[in-house]
Amino acid sequence: QSALTQPPSVSGSPGQSVTISCTGTSSDVGGRNYVSWYQQYPGKAPKLMIYEVTKRPSGVPGRFSGSKSGNTASLTVSGLQAEDEADYYCSSYAGNSNLVFGGGTKLTVL
Amino acid sequence: QLQLQESGPRLVKPSETLSLTCSVSGDSISTSSYYWGWLRQPPGKGLEWIGTIYYSGNTYYNPSLKSRVTVSVDTSKNHFSLRLTSVTAADTAVYYCARVNKYSSSWPCDHWGQGALVTVSS
Repeated sequence: QSALTQPPSVSGSPGQSVTISCTGTSSDVGGRNYVSWYQQYPGKAPKLMIYEVTKRPSGVPGRFSGSKSGNTASLTVSGLQAEDEADYYCSSYAGNSNLVFGGGTKLTVL
Repeated sequence: QLQLQESGPRLVKPSETLSLTCSVSGDSISTSSYYWGWLRQPPGKGLEWIGTIYYSGNTYYNPSLKSRVTVSVDTSKNHFSLRLTSVTAADTAVYYCARVNKYSSSWPCDHWGQGALVTVSS
C-alpha cells in the first residue's frame, strides 16, 4: 500500500480539463511545498512535471498545473491532448530525509 | 546533456545480493546542488524510493528497506551504486537511478536513467 493515495484512473475528452488528487498527511503533503508530480509512459522512465506543489520545470507545457489544499495536492491538465494519456505519480518529501510516492493514476483521453 | 545509465546483472537468485551501478555523464557527480538516488517499480505497480546519496557520502534510506540497502558513490569514476541484500521475488522490479535537486523542498528527481529490469529467480 502506497503512502500517498491517488485515484487509480481518471479520464477526459480532448480539450477538457482533468484533475488528479494526491492525499497524504500533515507530515508530508500537508507540510511545506513538498509535492512533486511525474508523468510516465509505458516502458519509459518517469518525467518530472511539477515540483514544490506549483512549479513547472523548463519545457513542461503550461497546461499542467499543481495546487494544494490541506493534506491533498492536485495536478490539473487543461486542454487535454491525446499525448497526455499516461500514468501520473505524486511524491512528497516526508521529513527525516524520506521520500514517499502515490500509487499512480492512469489518465485516459477518450 | 546529463545522462544516467544503469548497469549490472539482470537476474539475481533468491537470498543473494542485487548490485547496480549508475554511470553519470554530462555533469560531475560532485556538484553541490544535487543528491543521487535509486528508485524502483515492480512490474505493473507504482514507484518506490530506495535511497539517496550526496557526493560526500552522506546517505538517506527508505526505512522499510534500510536494513538491506547500501548506496555508495565513487567520485573518481563519476558513478554511484546500489546493493540490496537477501533479495526475494518481491524485489523484482525496474530499478531507476535519478538526480535529485538537493535545494528543492520537494526533492524532485529531475533526470532519470532509462531503468534496468532486475528479476529475482532461481
